[in-house]
Amino acid sequence: DAGITQSPRYKITETGRQVTLMCHQTWSHSYMFWYRQDLGHGLRLIYYSAAADITDKGEVPDGYVVSRSKTENFPLTLESATRSQTSVYFCASRSRTDNQPQHFGDGTRLSIL
Amino acid sequence: DQQVKQNSPSLSVQEGRISILNCDYTNSMFDYFLWYKKYPAEGPTFLISISSIKDKNEDGRFTVFLNKSAKHLSLHIVPSQPGDSAVYFCAASVYGFNKFYFGSGTKLNVKP
Repeated sequence: DAGITQSPRYKITETGRQVTLMCHQTWSHSYMFWYRQDLGHGLRLIYYSAAADITDKGEVPDGYVVSRSKTENFPLTLESATRSQTSVYFCASRSRTDNQPQHFGDGTRLSIL
Repeated sequence: DQQVKQNSPSLSVQEGRISILNCDYTNSMFDYFLWYKKYPAEGPTFLISISSIKDKNEDGRFTVFLNKSAKHLSLHIVPSQPGDSAVYFCAASVYGFNKFYFGSGTKLNVKP
């Protein structure tokens, strides 16, 4: 099916480990986004990308790295995971047309012990 | 500091009645506003949007109202149905920019 998929859906890891969350979309959308959802904060933007090889920081980028070598993929890496990064992570994409909504994946629940 | 706020964490409504979800924002530059609906273990799905040139937008049972002077928007659901039970997020952005700011969400429970 066309759409946006995230993997894995659930991940448990330990502090200090590197972990990569994957995001793949089949719409050829130009823009892709990573958010984290925490209780009381709603969704906060980590990084976004306007096109392949173009990325920019959001509200809470510290501790995260992104890349976008292909339009359809936008992986998010935690280089050295910390407990404060325990969260639900959502990837989203949208077309280049102005004032279009974002379309979200189903999320990755990440627990860091 | 949150630029988009949803001050009611939860709302309970009887089936068939109106649900009103509220959202306030602080940045006067915001000119595009959206509502998303989220079920457990799923991603948010787009519900309805409004640009600042309008003060109302309708889509079936869903209507969004925008009061720019008060920096306030609301989502009305009429009539409410049990399937509407979900968490609702409002979001805002500035035209031409790609940063969307989300509220913390309101959990709506529609009782049969």
